[in-house]
Amino acid sequence: AQSVTQLGSHVSVSEGALVLLRCNYSSSVPPYLFWYVQYPNQGLQLLLKYTTGATLVKGINGFEAEFKKSETSFHLTKPSAHMSDAAEYFCAVSVEGDSGTYKYIFGTGTRLKVLA
Amino acid sequence: DAGITQSPRHKVTETGTPVTLRCHQTENHRYMYWYRQDPGHGLRLIHYSYGVKDTDKGEVSDGYSVSRSKTEDFLLTLESATSSQTSVYFCAISTRSSYNSPLHFGNGTRLTVT
Repeated sequence: AQSVTQLGSHVSVSEGALVLLRCNYSSSVPPYLFWYVQYPNQGLQLLLKYTTGATLVKGINGFEAEFKKSETSFHLTKPSAHMSDAAEYFCAVSVEGDSGTYKYIFGTGTRLKVLA
Repeated sequence: DAGITQSPRHKVTETGTPVTLRCHQTENHRYMYWYRQDPGHGLRLIHYSYGVKDTDKGEVSDGYSVSRSKTEDFLLTLESATSSQTSVYFCAISTRSSYNSPLHFGNGTRLTVT
């Protein structure tokens, strides 16, 4: 079964420091991978997605992620953290359901704290 | 803006009572999803729909039912609410019928079962 694992339920970084949030996937077929961000009391917003093609994907707010098939990873990075980046981040993979449908499986999330 | 409205936004109910949550979209997107969010578990899929009257179970469907009688509305029903169903419920839609389409989320319904 396809799944995603996010290492670290909480990550703290200083303002201006590198942000690295880890995501590993399990998939028997080429995956479609996504990163979402959730601010307090809001729904999730798409940060970026990987489908095919370039393995380095750029998203909104200066975030990017690199798809590494050999490591089955899709880690999210940002060179310099900003206070406004404090939020919860979710990695997700789309999988095939029954009858040719598709659904999305999410990781357990990583809460990012940015220290002044 | 994918035009997703969830109602109610907050609900407190007693154990054993039925509860229905509504997800409404303003565009005719085919795929709609219900997730629950709990600390330490992330988002878990309850049910999803791929068309009017076409639904399928997710990973945590026990105790929940859904209905989709028209494209714009996807209802989630807890037939007899239990305390373990206290959670934040999110509706999501996919704007295209393909694997690489991202989900668009509503703002959630916070349900407390006492």
